[in-house]
Amino acid sequence: QKEVEQDPGPLSVPEGAIVSLNCTYSNSAFQYFMWYRQYSRKGPELLMYTYSSGNKEDGRFTAQVDKSSKYISLFIRDSQPSDSATYLCAMSVSGAGSYQLTFGKGTKLSVIP
Amino acid sequence: ETGVTQSPTHLIKTRGQQVTLRCSSQSGHNTVSWYQQALGQGPQFIFQYYREEENGRGNFPPRFSGLQFPNYSSELNVNALELDDSALYLCASSFGQGRGRDEKLFFGSGTQLSVL
Repeated sequence: QKEVEQDPGPLSVPEGAIVSLNCTYSNSAFQYFMWYRQYSRKGPELLMYTYSSGNKEDGRFTAQVDKSSKYISLFIRDSQPSDSATYLCAMSVSGAGSYQLTFGKGTKLSVIP
Repeated sequence: ETGVTQSPTHLIKTRGQQVTLRCSSQSGHNTVSWYQQALGQGPQFIFQYYREEENGRGNFPPRFSGLQFPNYSSELNVNALELDDSALYLCASSFGQGRGRDEKLFFGSGTQLSVL
């Protein structure tokens, strides 16, 4: 079993839809949770960063963490064609190892105008 | 403030050759990490450098090596290239040793390496 599981999609939605992206993990030591957006042939761009269970909102994006279920989600409201990209969940332990990120495979999202 | 920059953007090598990839950290950052991203996969951690010393390594063989310079720029060297080394190599920078809850990782655009 991989440490981080993420459905690779692809996921196709109409413009304006609410998008839900999810990851599960098996390592209880993970304390920091991130979502990155990656456009084709580009490096990952940090979207959301959280270390607490519960919800964190930033504009149209909401990150949700449930440590008891080892499950994290990213919600995108009012999706736009510019949101079309691959979304990667990532997580790490605390302390000196916190920069050693473990990524999911990524979910490819297409928002259709 | 400049972001993380990597060079070259693309590279083609043949099996058995050696390659060096370069990275300049984001201004003010002193920690550099390298990741390998195969097609259709998430990035995999190779190693991390803090103050010119390796202080973390993923599951990669010794033919993957690195350096960090006093100005915090970094190199990734791969010897005896294999076909499976074909991937996007990503450099990421951050500040500190990762002990704080607000320390985040920022990625460059990567070097696409093709091994023929």
